[in-house]
Amino acid sequence: EVHLVQSGGVLVKPGGSLRLSCAASGFTFETYAMTWVRQAPGKGLEWVSSISSTSLYIYYADSVKGRFTISRDNAENSLYLQMNSLRADDTAVYYCARGRYSSSWDFDYWGQGTLVTVSS
Amino acid sequence: IVLTQSPATLSLSPGDRATLSCRASQTFNNYLAWYQQKPGQAPRLLIYDASNRATGIPARFSGSGSGTDFTLTISSLEPEDFALYYCQQRFIWPLTFGGGTKVEIK
Repeated sequence: EVHLVQSGGVLVKPGGSLRLSCAASGFTFETYAMTWVRQAPGKGLEWVSSISSTSLYIYYADSVKGRFTISRDNAENSLYLQMNSLRADDTAVYYCARGRYSSSWDFDYWGQGTLVTVSS
Repeated sequence: IVLTQSPATLSLSPGDRATLSCRASQTFNNYLAWYQQKPGQAPRLLIYDASNRATGIPARFSGSGSGTDFTLTISSLEPEDFALYYCQQRFIWPLTFGGGTKVEIK
């Protein structure tokens, strides 16, 4: 059975940094593209960043480009999102999601979400 | 590509037919997905490539459309179908989601 288990929620001060993690199991992680999607409180879904199965292709939303870095460790079956220079408007639930197949950018499995609160 | 979903809220009764719209700001192929989200839960993939049901999705859910106009239809609403629904395109970067349609009990 496919599982994506995310690290716990956290409170961070503006300007601070945080690394989110997503541990995958139940499938061959190294053959799937992965993505981070976020949802601000009471708002809709917003795509954040995606990474191909071999890390050859990486994409970012303009809102996070230069501040966030997506990465993966296929040996550890893990996906990461390094978040720097955090701002109040980065406050959201962050979901990791699996691409439907190796190079697909729609998402058939999702993590449980991690609440990131950026506040002083 | 900007995706505009309508209506924002759909008030219906169990057993009713629900028709949700997703309109794109420019034409693209059928790389459109639909998700369902319930409060406190992650989204769930319902439809991919405009008209293909994801694994385990009941037949009452169907997707259609092409170009700039796409539709999610729920043929007969079950109590568990009252939720938020989002469309998403994967045709071009950045990936984008629609603003969502809430299907609520009338």
